Amino acid sequence: DAMVIQNPRYQVTQFGKPVTLSCSQTLNHNVMYWYQQKSSQAPKLLFHYYDKDFNNEADTPDNFQSRRPNTSFCFLDIRSPGLGDAAMYLCATSRGTGGKETQYFGPGTRLLVL
Amino acid sequence: RKEVEQDPGPFNVPEGATVAFNCTYSNSASQSFFWYRQDCRKEPKLLMSVYSSGNEDGRFTAQLNRASQYISLLIRDSKLSDSATYLCVVIVGGSARQLTFGSGTQLTVLP
Repeated sequence: DAMVIQNPRYQVTQFGKPVTLSCSQTLNHNVMYWYQQKSSQAPKLLFHYYDKDFNNEADTPDNFQSRRPNTSFCFLDIRSPGLGDAAMYLCATSRGTGGKETQYFGPGTRLLVL
Repeated sequence: RKEVEQDPGPFNVPEGATVAFNCTYSNSASQSFFWYRQDCRKEPKLLMSVYSSGNEDGRFTAQLNRASQYISLLIRDSKLSDSATYLCVVIVGGSARQLTFGSGTQLTVLP
């Protein structure tokens, strides 16, 4: 059974055209994360929500925004995608933010910017 | 210096071989350690947590050396299905949001 679902799996957008990526979870976890992973690189945390509490990483560009309308859903909005934003975007969830918490990842959305 | 460093490989080994990966971390305050596995174009999946006393799960053994700040993963009797990228993951402090990934070690098990 899918636990962390991401749609779409592949997204093509044009340079500068806003795009929204979607993540949903059936785990009822409190925390949802968005990561960016470029080819042959480690996933890089963009931001996370603990319930409705939004936590942005210091080096996340303003171009990236997020919304979490309810426990199950979280969206990543890229306001003006550039060529450098082409990457795999991974959503993850965890029950809490304690150091032992396991993060469960969705299958990712691969974004291509033309 | 990167916070979490891994040899990127690739490691190409024959089926049945034993292979070991090392990972070093720079922050001595790191508290939790994991190995994740990532298949090509797929999401990372937790392989195992790494405990101070070392732990084993079937063919996989993970060890932690806090004094030297490194973590290891040993895979015995490699299978073709073990081919993947293995990500070393470290949590600094007590917060899962401070989960830091290494860039991964690529393993290919050859028939």
